[in-house]
Amino acid sequence: ETGVTQSPTHLIKTRGQQVTLRCSSQSGHNTVSWYQQALGQGPQFIFQYYREEENGRGNFPPRFSGLQFPNYSSELNVNALELDDSALYLCASSFPGLNTGELFFGEGSRLTVL
Amino acid sequence: QKEVEQNSGPLSVPEGAIASLNCTYSDRGSQSFFWYRQYSGKSPELIMSIYSNGDQEDGRFTAQLNKASQYVSLLIRDSQPSDSATYLCAVADGGATNKLIFGTGTLLAVQP
Repeated sequence: ETGVTQSPTHLIKTRGQQVTLRCSSQSGHNTVSWYQQALGQGPQFIFQYYREEENGRGNFPPRFSGLQFPNYSSELNVNALELDDSALYLCASSFPGLNTGELFFGEGSRLTVL
Repeated sequence: QKEVEQNSGPLSVPEGAIASLNCTYSDRGSQSFFWYRQYSGKSPELIMSIYSNGDQEDGRFTAQLNKASQYVSLLIRDSQPSDSATYLCAVADGGATNKLIFGTGTLLAVQP
């Protein structure tokens, strides 16, 4: 158990809909990042939040957006869902300070877009 | 575009044998390297970190780094069926984030 919790664990949406995924980071971790893992692939970096600000973003379109709250929990929002958005969405928290790849992942939210 | 390459496998080894997993990376300036284990249907779990050339050992696991060859490997000694999982090699992107660049993972199957 990493102490990182995500909800919901599974969800099904249709094309064009919007989805919000939630993450509570491990106590004391002020950095949260989100990854997308398609079937048979490695996780791909979506973005990172540090002290409530987005401070890094991967190659994902603007319809992927996020928030971090004062208690360091986080949300990932995806608008105008496409079939290719079907994936496991992983939230990862890390110790204070940057430039560490020692991430603690939640169990993920598996999104299916029909 | 920074890349991390792994053989997708499956790599099949008998119980008790040494499993050798390999990874290459494209960015010569990379400094930090990680191995994550992912059981089927679960999330990745960090098992090894390595930052300098040579070997880093932790129990049955040894990570090896050769920056000149841009090559990282993971050795698992005395492999157990419980080691059967996908092993993800990851390289830190550097800069101001904790962004990791992952390979596609190698599926390891340890046969009893």
